[in-house]
Order: sequence, then C-alpha cells, then structure tokens
Amino acid sequence: GAVVSQHPSWVICKSGTSVKIECRSLDFQATTMFWYRQFPKQSLMLMATSNEGSKATYEQGVEKDKFLINHASLTLSTLTVTSAHPEDSSFYICSASGSVWGRAFDTQYFGPGTRLTVL
Amino acid sequence: AQTVTQSQPEMSVQEAETVTLSCTYDTSESDYYLFWYKQPPSRQMILVIRQEAYKQQNATENRFSVNFQKAAKSFSLKISDSQLGDAAMYFCAYRSAPDDKIIFGKGTRLHILP
Repeated sequence: GAVVSQHPSWVICKSGTSVKIECRSLDFQATTMFWYRQFPKQSLMLMATSNEGSKATYEQGVEKDKFLINHASLTLSTLTVTSAHPEDSSFYICSASGSVWGRAFDTQYFGPGTRLTVL
Repeated sequence: AQTVTQSQPEMSVQEAETVTLSCTYDTSESDYYLFWYKQPPSRQMILVIRQEAYKQQNATENRFSVNFQKAAKSFSLKISDSQLGDAAMYFCAYRSAPDDKIIFGKGTRLHILP
C-alpha cells in the first residue's frame, strides 16, 4: 500500500515553454502533498506543501509564479514549471501523506521522480 | 529550527559485513519521528525504518536497526550482513509530530564492496 506515482518520469522541453508534472496517490487519500527538488548528489529541497482544495504554501526562495502547484483532489497534485529555463533543469520529486482506512500516516510516501531537462 | 546532520558524506563496507551510519539532530520538541530513507540509483525514495521519539525501544526491520539516543539526539542506522543491493544514498530525516513536513539530512552515500 501507500503507492505514489509521478508522470512523466522524464521530460525534455525547450526554453520558454511550460511543463506539467502529475503526482498521484494510487491507494490512499493524500490530504497533503509535497514537492521537492533534488540537485545531483544533494539532498531533497522542499519547494512547497499543498493541501487538497487550498493554495499551496511555498518555501522561502521558491517562486510561486514559476512553480504553479494545484491539488484539486485527494489523489492528484500537479506542478507546472512555467516559462522553463535551463536553470530549472533538475529532478523533481513529489510525496504524499494522508490516511488509509481512517488511520493517518506518520510519514510521507514518495513518487519515483521526474527528470526535467530544459534546452 | 530543527536540523539534521549526517557527518559522513560517503562510506564503504565489505559485503556481508556490518556498517553504521551516523545522524544527529537538533530539536526542542519532545514529540517527533525519525526516519531513515534509502535512495538507490533509480532515485526512488524508500522508507527503511522509522522511530517514534516516545518509544525507548530501538526500531528494527530485518537487517536494519537503529540506535536511538534521545538525550544525545543521536539516531544511527546499523545495516547487518550488507548486501550489494544496499548500495544507495541514505538520508536521515526528522518530522515534528504535529507537522507533516520532513527535514532531511544531506545524506550518506554507501558503497558495498564485493
């Protein structure tokens, strides 16, 4: 149980275009979803936290107009990188916390990540 | 603010041997969770083991066990009978009980020598 999927796993786009990444909880209700960015050989950097039906909370230094997050349902959150530039190239990981059968999770479950390359 | 420190950027261990990864953390809270996550070359984050701060007993999951020293704010991971599949980046992580956010350490890259 507690499976999180991400799509696409790999995307290449041209500079100036927008890219949408989907994160889905497959077998539980994800009340909270998180988006991380990971640079090579580094740790995960939290970008934003989103709760179903409300606006995302962004970490300091993260441009909310560049990284649009939508959490429209209990199983889906999306991250849109708008007007992408080469410096946005990175590995993006989503995670989710929530509950199953009324029991809340004590941790987050992670998607497999999306590698974004902006040319 | 809470912090998580992993002082060993890289470690190596011979296959079948035992290795311990170190982690210290700083918090003023009394109710929290600690985790070790594994990130293999596929980059999928995998939960290895969890520890609730109010539990004195150290958590164990098969070949993985922790040494949780609450007063010292130390949370080390011991891997017994190391296997080639254990090669990965290991992240120590902290979560405050009322908060969903997880704070990660910088990670320790573990190499398994055949």
